[in-house]
Amino acid sequence: QVQLVQSGAEVKKPGASVKVSCKASGYTFTSYDINWVRQATGQGLEWMGWMNPNSGNTGYAQKFQGRVTMTRNTSISTAYMELSSLRSEDTAVYYCARGHTAMVPPSYYFDYWGQGTLVTVSS
Amino acid sequence: DIQMTQSPSSLSASVGDRVTITCRASQSISSYLNWYQQKPGKAPKLLIYAASSLQSGVPSRFSGSGSGTDFTLTISSLQPEDFATYYCQQSYSTPHTFGQGTRLEIK
Repeated sequence: QVQLVQSGAEVKKPGASVKVSCKASGYTFTSYDINWVRQATGQGLEWMGWMNPNSGNTGYAQKFQGRVTMTRNTSISTAYMELSSLRSEDTAVYYCARGHTAMVPPSYYFDYWGQGTLVTVSS
Repeated sequence: DIQMTQSPSSLSASVGDRVTITCRASQSISSYLNWYQQKPGKAPKLLIYAASSLQSGVPSRFSGSGSGTDFTLTISSLQPEDFATYYCQQSYSTPHTFGQGTRLEIK
C-alpha cells in the first residue's frame, strides 16, 4: 500500500533552517510528484511547492522563493523540504503529498499524504 | 495567483441532513478542482477530484459538481464521521491554492 512517512517533530530557533524528510513506499517513487503543504495551528492549508522526483525539477510558491529547497534521494525513495531563515510565523505542521496527474478526466490531485511534521520556531 | 473562496466558513447540521458547500475561483479553472476532508490532528483526505470524480473508497454520499469558477460539494445524508473541515483546491495552475476551509459541526 502507498505510504508517505515523514520525519519527526523539530524545534528550531529563529534564523535557523529545518529539513523535513518524506519516505515513500508502495509505488514507484519517480512516477509521481511530491508536493509540500503546511498548516499553522488552527489555520488553513498552504501550498508551498512541488518536485518531480524523476527529473528533480521543482516549482515553489512565490512566498517561499529563496527560502525553500525541495530535493530527493531516489535510491531511498525519499523527498526533502528544507526551509531556511525560520521565523515564528513558520511554526506549522508540514505535510508531503503525492501529486497524481490523470488524463481522463484531466486532473491533478493529492491522493496520498504524509502524517505531518510539526516544526516549532521559538527562541 | 488564483484565489479560492469557500462558503460558508462554518456550518452546523444534524445527522441525516443534506449539506452543500460552495467554492468559487477568482478565474476559470475548468474542472481542475479537488475537495479534501480533514479531521483534527490528521492529514487531509482526498474526496473528489476533477470537480466531480469520486476518489476510490470514498462513500457515494459525497458528490461534487461545477466547472469554470463555481463548484459545490454535497453530502447527501450526513453521518457522524463526516463532521470535519472541508477544503477545496485548484490544480489548474501553480500555486495550487486552497480555499479557507468549511468547518462542519454537529447541531
